Amino acid sequence: QKEVEQDPGPLSVPEGAIVSLNCTYSNSAFQYFMWYRQYSRKGPELLMYTYSSGNKEDGRFTAQVDKSSKYISLFIRDSQPSDSATYLCAMRYSGGGADGLTFGKGTHLIIQP
Amino acid sequence: GAGVSQSPSNKVTEKGKDVELRCDPISGHTALYWYRQSLGQGLEFLIYFQGNSAPDKSGLPSDRFSAERTGGSVSTLTIQRTQQEDSAVYLCASSSPGGDGYTFGSGTRLTVV
Repeated sequence: QKEVEQDPGPLSVPEGAIVSLNCTYSNSAFQYFMWYRQYSRKGPELLMYTYSSGNKEDGRFTAQVDKSSKYISLFIRDSQPSDSATYLCAMRYSGGGADGLTFGKGTHLIIQP
Repeated sequence: GAGVSQSPSNKVTEKGKDVELRCDPISGHTALYWYRQSLGQGLEFLIYFQGNSAPDKSGLPSDRFSAERTGGSVSTLTIQRTQQEDSAVYLCASSSPGGDGYTFGSGTRLTVV
């Protein structure tokens, strides 16, 4: 079993829909959880960062962590064509610094105008 | 600089040739990472530099791959005797001490023909 599982998609939804992206993981030692967005021919950029369980909201984006189920989600409200990209989840153990991130393979999201 | 800079952005090379990929991290970022991203695959960790410590080379796929970081800043990833399976996007990222998440460059797209 891979440490982090993520459905590669593609996931295609109409503009304005609510999008749900998910990752599951196997290692309960992960404490910090991140979502990166990657546009075509660009490097990933950090979108959301959360610690332990709970929700974090930033504009149209909400990150949710359920450590008991080893499941994390990213919700996008009022999706826009500009949200079309690959979304990668990432996580790391406790301890200072950003080293040792484990990435999912990414979900390719398409928002249809 | 304002971001992580990688050069060249694209590189086409003949099988068997050596290539050098360059990464210029954000000033003040002590940690530097190299990843490889192949089509349909996730981010594959290659090597990690942290300050003056010995690098973590555990992700390098073969002894044809090597990397160095001079003066704690610029890094060069060298691939000797390139093979077609080396074709991928090579991403560099840097992070600050105790920082949250990485800042990625736009990558070098390597094509071995």
